[in-house]
Amino acid sequence: NAGVTQTPKFQVLKTGQSMTLQCAQDMNHEYMSWYRQDPGMGLRLIHYSVGAGITDQGEVPNGYNVSRSTTEDFPLRLLSAAPSQTSVYFCASSYGTGDLYEQYFGPGTRLTVT
Amino acid sequence: GQSLEQPSEVTAVEGAIVQINCTYQTSGFYGLSWYQQHDGGAPTFLSYNALDGLEETGRFSSFLSRSDSYGYLLLQELQMKDSASYFCAVRVNDYKLSFGAGTTVTVRA
Repeated sequence: NAGVTQTPKFQVLKTGQSMTLQCAQDMNHEYMSWYRQDPGMGLRLIHYSVGAGITDQGEVPNGYNVSRSTTEDFPLRLLSAAPSQTSVYFCASSYGTGDLYEQYFGPGTRLTVT
Repeated sequence: GQSLEQPSEVTAVEGAIVQINCTYQTSGFYGLSWYQQHDGGAPTFLSYNALDGLEETGRFSSFLSRSDSYGYLLLQELQMKDSASYFCAVRVNDYKLSFGAGTTVTVRA
């Protein structure tokens, strides 16, 4: 199993550009989530999904959209990039909400917005 | 809102014992998890406590006191490879984990 994969590893955007961060898992996990990590602030939940077709907002959803058309894929879209979105983005998954305490994380995408 | 407090840095020598405390104030509480992260890589799950008491997994142990809103991660027989950031995380409901800011552990020879 590849586990949780994310692409790209690094990305530089100009203010106002849009892009999609890709996330996929091959463990048949129902629960998937996106976090951003900023220095000294830990991981903050952006959006999550409890299954295909079901998504909801986390703590910091503004400026981001998600969709979940399949169990495997959970892309994160930046609508109009801003310097405040410079961060490291992690995708994570767990078997289900009952196993939420144990999430499997991808390697991260390091995004810089200039 | 959610508030999780943990020390920002801890330094210790190889072979020593380190305790990382985590106190929390959250809107809900199902349990406390601990994660390890090396050099900004993927966080990895270490342990979970849903009930009061001590859970032991090899050199690492985790403790929870729900009445005190407090837990800790104990790292024993420290090794250089234990140099990493450690995060406590509260499962606040069926859908969300809320993370602390992390503790950087530096192990010296």
